[in-house]
Amino acid sequence: EDQVTQSPEALRLQEGESSSLNCSYTVSGLRGLFWYRQDPGKGPEFLFTLYSAGEEKEKERLKATLTKKESFLHITAPKPEDSATYLCAVKGAGNNRKLIWGLGTSLAVNP
Amino acid sequence: KAGVTQTPRYLIKTRGQQVTLSCSPISGHRSVSWYQQTPGQGLQFLFEYFSETQRNKGNFPGRFSGRQFSNSRSEMNVSTLELGDSALYLCASSTGQELANYGYTFGSGTRLTVV
Repeated sequence: EDQVTQSPEALRLQEGESSSLNCSYTVSGLRGLFWYRQDPGKGPEFLFTLYSAGEEKEKERLKATLTKKESFLHITAPKPEDSATYLCAVKGAGNNRKLIWGLGTSLAVNP
Repeated sequence: KAGVTQTPRYLIKTRGQQVTLSCSPISGHRSVSWYQQTPGQGLQFLFEYFSETQRNKGNFPGRFSGRQFSNSRSEMNVSTLELGDSALYLCASSTGQELANYGYTFGSGTRLTVV
């Protein structure tokens, strides 16, 4: 069964303190891995899509990487406005068009 | 351009009642997917509509249903509400051609509380 596990559940950082969020997945034939950001009271906002092991994508202070079993979201010198829940989802060869989602990592960045 | 619009934003219903939620996707997008989000289960896929046809369905009971109109607007309905149906219901808009490149665009959701 396709599965996505995110860790840690919650993370508190000081402004400027870099760290990484993890997304481990089990899926039959990965077609895409997606990172989203969700602010309280809002829907998820798309960040990145990764397709194959070794691929990397960057956006401002965020960098997403992908291996055959997991993805990392690296946050470099975070700012308070980076505080949000970060969600990971995968699309496998099966499950039609359905995405399988992790429960997210709640990130708080203190000034 | 206008984003994904979901109405209403908040809703309080009593057990046994039914509810209809609405979603207007981004102009030009033909696919609308619905998700239920709860703290313990995360995002759970309900169904996807493309060009007025249900293209995929999640593992929810038949009390959950949906439809899509010719202008791509979509509605979902939940009948005989249960306390466990309390959740944030999210609508996701896409062209429907593929999941690649930009992923979904989500609305802000409808917060449903069943009492």
